[in-house]
Amino acid sequence: GNSVTQMEGPVTLSEEAFLTINCTYTATGYPSLFWYVQYPGEGLQLLLKATKADDKGSNKGFEATYRKETTSFHLEKGSVQVSDSAVYFCALSDGSSNTGKLIFGQGTTLQVKP
Amino acid sequence: DTEVTQTPKHLVMGMTNKKSLKCEQHMGHRAMYWYKQKAKKPPELMFVYSYEKLSINESVPSRFSPECPNSSLLNLHLHALQPEDSALYLCASSQDADGYGYTFGSGTRLTVV
Repeated sequence: GNSVTQMEGPVTLSEEAFLTINCTYTATGYPSLFWYVQYPGEGLQLLLKATKADDKGSNKGFEATYRKETTSFHLEKGSVQVSDSAVYFCALSDGSSNTGKLIFGQGTTLQVKP
Repeated sequence: DTEVTQTPKHLVMGMTNKKSLKCEQHMGHRAMYWYKQKAKKPPELMFVYSYEKLSINESVPSRFSPECPNSSLLNLHLHALQPEDSALYLCASSQDADGYGYTFGSGTRLTVV
């Protein structure tokens, strides 16, 4: 079945450090890939997305590239801020199944210290 | 309007109570979802409604009963819950049931006592 694996956290960085959160997936067909962010006490917000191989999603300084050959969708940001502290979820959707179901990774907690 | 609105934000209920969670969207989305999220875990799909019809029930216990009165509203009726049902309940919607372009609500934090 389809699955998503994320690096375990927490990830603790100093402000302005470079961020990478690894995400790999297993899926049949050609899934769409997403990164969601969840701030404390809130719901999930879509951070970025990619629908086909070699697509690059970007938003608010975050980037991720859909790599079919390595089945990966790693999240990167060049300079993190304290306000980026949150839980980040990698997710996939197998559009061909027509279920609308999102499959999430376990989540990675990011803590950015001033 | 680009939001999914959930009410209430917090709910405390006893194991013999009956309560309902509500979700509303006015984006014209035809698919709506209920997810359950336990602390420090990813969301888990409970139900999917597509064009106001229940299309997926992920083997959820019958003490959770979903309802979609119209294309903008989604309810989750709760009855005889257990303490382990305490969680954040998230509603989401998307244009179609293809998993693309989800919008999540802020959730209802449910505590069963």
